[in-house]
Amino acid sequence: AQSVTQLGSHVSVSEGALVLLRCNYSSSVPPYLFWYVQYPNQGLQLLLKYTTGATLVKGINGFEAEFKKSETSFHLTKPSAHMSDAAEYFCAVSDPVGWALVAAGGSQGNLIFGKGTKLSVKP
Amino acid sequence: NAGVTQTPKFQVLKTGQSMTLQCAQDMNHEYMSWYRQDPGMGLRLIHYSVGAGITDQGEVPNGYNVSRSTTEDFPLRLLSAAPSQTSVYFCASSYLGQSNTGELFFGEGSRLTVL
Repeated sequence: AQSVTQLGSHVSVSEGALVLLRCNYSSSVPPYLFWYVQYPNQGLQLLLKYTTGATLVKGINGFEAEFKKSETSFHLTKPSAHMSDAAEYFCAVSDPVGWALVAAGGSQGNLIFGKGTKLSVKP
Repeated sequence: NAGVTQTPKFQVLKTGQSMTLQCAQDMNHEYMSWYRQDPGMGLRLIHYSVGAGITDQGEVPNGYNVSRSTTEDFPLRLLSAAPSQTSVYFCASSYLGQSNTGELFFGEGSRLTVL
């Protein structure tokens, strides 16, 4: 079974400081990994994703994440925080084998989410 | 560029009432799903569908029904609302194909309060 752990339900940084949001996963197969962002009273928006290939993935709004298989981690970073980055961030994992079976009825195709990290940015 | 559209955005129900949350997508996605989001719990899968006429249960299906008569629409029904169903509900969709990665496209959510 897959699982996701996000360390820290709340993270506070100063504007201009480094943003680091931690995500560790558990998966029996090489996973697909995602970071979503949720602004207040809005839906979830994809920030970036890792499927295969380059382990450093760049996303929107200056965010990036690095897939580290040996550490089973996919931490999200941004060099310089902006006030507009204040939001809740969700790490998620999916099973490539499972998704390939969804159409055939062999899998739920579930995207397993972490519990989220709320990022606050202080002026 | 409508994407995934959910209605209503807000709803207040009394215990025992029924209602339907609507979800429509215009991306021709085969896969559609409903999640609920509760504080500190992340998102949990309620029901999903891989095409018209095909639905199945997710992690937390009790108290909810779904149907999929068209590719575009995937309504979620609460037959007898309970306070434990107070939550924010998200509809999400994805295409199914060789290059599918499981990336989901989300609606803006429906906030439900059951008194």
